[in-house]
Amino acid sequence: DAKTTQPPSMDCAEGRAANLPCNHSTISGNEYVYWYRQIHSQGPQYIIHGLKNNETNEMASLIITEDRKSSTLILPHATLRDTAVYYCIVPNQGGKLIFGQGTELSVKP
Amino acid sequence: SAVISQKPSRDICQRGTSLTIQCQVDSQVTMMFWYRQQPGQSLTLIATANQGSEATYESGFVIDKFPISRPNLTFSTLTVSNMSPEDSSIYLCSVDGWGNTEAFFGQGTRLTVV
Repeated sequence: DAKTTQPPSMDCAEGRAANLPCNHSTISGNEYVYWYRQIHSQGPQYIIHGLKNNETNEMASLIITEDRKSSTLILPHATLRDTAVYYCIVPNQGGKLIFGQGTELSVKP
Repeated sequence: SAVISQKPSRDICQRGTSLTIQCQVDSQVTMMFWYRQQPGQSLTLIATANQGSEATYESGFVIDKFPISRPNLTFSTLTVSNMSPEDSSIYLCSVDGWGNTEAFFGQGTRLTVV
C-alpha cells in the first residue's frame, strides 16, 4: 500500500500558485519524499524530492513540516500545461515506487 | 538522467496471444521496474527486473503470466502472456529511484486486447 495520502482533486486558476498537500505520517527518519506528475498519455515525470529541508528547483518548491509527517508541493505560477495527476511517494526499500491515486490538478483559465 | 525507450508504443492484439515489450536505457542502471496502468487508474508495480536472476514479482502478479528478462544493465523485456481483454492497459518501464536519486519512466506501451 502507498504510504501517503492526497486529496483526489484540486482546481487552480492559471497564474496563481498551486499548493498540493500530502500526508506521510509513517515516514521514517531516512526516507525521502518524492513528487512526480503524469500528464495525460505520458509516463510519470520527476518533479522534486526532499528529506527534511525545504527544496526548490526550476519546476516547484517542496515544503516539509518539521515533524516530516506532511509536505506541500508548490507550483508558484500554474499554467494550463501543469494540468496533470500529481503523486507524492515515499519509496520502499529497494527503490520501489508504490503509487497511490494522486491528486488530479486542473488548472483553469 | 536516463533516457528510456519502450517498444512498441502501442499494439492491438488478439486474445490468447502474447506480446513482448522492450525497454532500453541509454546508460547502465541498477534497478529496473515494470508497471501496469489500467484505464483511469494509477500505476501498479508488477515486478522488479533483476539482472542475472529471476524477477521479483509483487502480490497478484506471477511469472507465468508476466515473464520478465533482464540480460544486462541496460535492457529488459516484459511479456504479457495468453492475453485477455482485462490485460488492456498501459505498461511502463522505469529505472532507479532509490535513496537520493529520482526514477525515470518510459512513455509506456498502450496495449489493447480484442
